[in-house]
Amino acid sequence: NAGVTQTPKFQVLKTGQSMTLQCAQDMNHEYMSWYRQDPGMGLRLIHYSVGAGITDQGEVPNGYNVSRSTTEDFPLRLLSAAPSQTSVYFCASSSHVNQETEAFFGQGTRLTVV
Amino acid sequence: GESVGLHLPTLSVQEGDNSIINCAYSNSASDYFIWYKQESGKGPQFIIDIRSNMDKRQGQRVTVLLNKTVKHLSLQIAATQPGDSAVYFCAEKGYQKVTFGTGTKLQVIP
Repeated sequence: NAGVTQTPKFQVLKTGQSMTLQCAQDMNHEYMSWYRQDPGMGLRLIHYSVGAGITDQGEVPNGYNVSRSTTEDFPLRLLSAAPSQTSVYFCASSSHVNQETEAFFGQGTRLTVV
Repeated sequence: GESVGLHLPTLSVQEGDNSIINCAYSNSASDYFIWYKQESGKGPQFIIDIRSNMDKRQGQRVTVLLNKTVKHLSLQIAATQPGDSAVYFCAEKGYQKVTFGTGTKLQVIP
């Protein structure tokens, strides 16, 4: 059982570079989300999706794009990386956001922007 | 306890003692609450949940208490073990979104 798989685990980018953080889940979950985790700030919601073809902004969406072309995949794109985007990124999925159910998290991607 | 925006608080507990981790949530309309445990270098993992129509729920060595009047949630861990050392987050579910607190670091002293 793979659960939620994030790639890569570590990444160093130069300011202005672009990249995509990958997230895939094999549990047929409708709801997927991206969080960033910074020291002392907890987990902050970047973007989320309640199903294929539907995405919406979270608390800190600026500088990030997402798409949800399939139920399984929810990639997070940084179009022009900035040092302020240095963080640990977590992808999560749950069966349905409006059901009372836990979220399953990936192992995280540690991103450093220099 | 924890609250959004503050530095990460730390709770140090002697092995074998009980731990109580507190959380103040913000949205009175939240109807579902979850506690997660995050070990170093890993993603958060589900511990226990509680619906807003309950005030207490027990699991294996863990109990969650919910006080909706003061918007307060607590996690009690009985007979704390070294493996309980981690950061603990509470999360509240509103419409289509789950909001996490900043977390509390639990250090277990052998």
